[in-house]
Amino acid sequence: EVQLLESGGDLVQPGGSLRLSCAASGFRFSNCSMSWIRQAPGKGLEWVAIITGDGDVTSHADSVKGRFTISRDNSKDTVYLQMNSLGVEDTAVYYCAKGPITGDDYVDYWGQGTLVTVSS
Amino acid sequence: QSVLTQPPSVSGAPGQRVTISCSGSSSNIGAGYDVHWYQQLPGAAPRLVIHGNDHRPSGVPDRFSGSKSGTSASLAITGLQAADEGDYYCQSYDSDLIHYVFGDGTAVFVL
Repeated sequence: EVQLLESGGDLVQPGGSLRLSCAASGFRFSNCSMSWIRQAPGKGLEWVAIITGDGDVTSHADSVKGRFTISRDNSKDTVYLQMNSLGVEDTAVYYCAKGPITGDDYVDYWGQGTLVTVSS
Repeated sequence: QSVLTQPPSVSGAPGQRVTISCSGSSSNIGAGYDVHWYQQLPGAAPRLVIHGNDHRPSGVPDRFSGSKSGTSASLAITGLQAADEGDYYCQSYDSDLIHYVFGDGTAVFVL
């Protein structure tokens, strides 16, 4: 059974930093791309970042480029999101999601999410 | 405002059929990129219900179907049930943004 367990969400002040983690199990982790997708309170979904299975290629949304960095450790079956220079607009539930084994451009499983609140 | 346009809401009586449209452009759906659909029930994480325009993952009822034509796509739900109430999002890739994009979402209400 595929499981994605996010952690690291917290209340942080504007300008602060936070690192989210997502522990994966139930599938061949290194064969799948991983993504972070966020949802601001009462709003829709926004794709934040994606990383290929081998970790060689990443892509970040323009809204977070230069501030957020996605990475992965295939020896620990874990994907990370380092978030720096946080602003109130980054307040959201952050979901970890896995790509299909085929490499197609969607996600087939989601975690339950972790809440990041940016406020003074 | 997303590059993929969805209606804010649709509604139908139990047992009826509803459709949700997803309108894009020549840099996403019209460029040949696939459309995928996610269901988000109240208080839950999203769940994939259609991938590759018209493919249902295992475990998704055949009441859900997808289609794509030109610069648009649609999700149809037949035999509408109270358990289908929630938000539905289309998703594709945009070659101008060089990133994956979601529609703004459509709330489905069962009358």
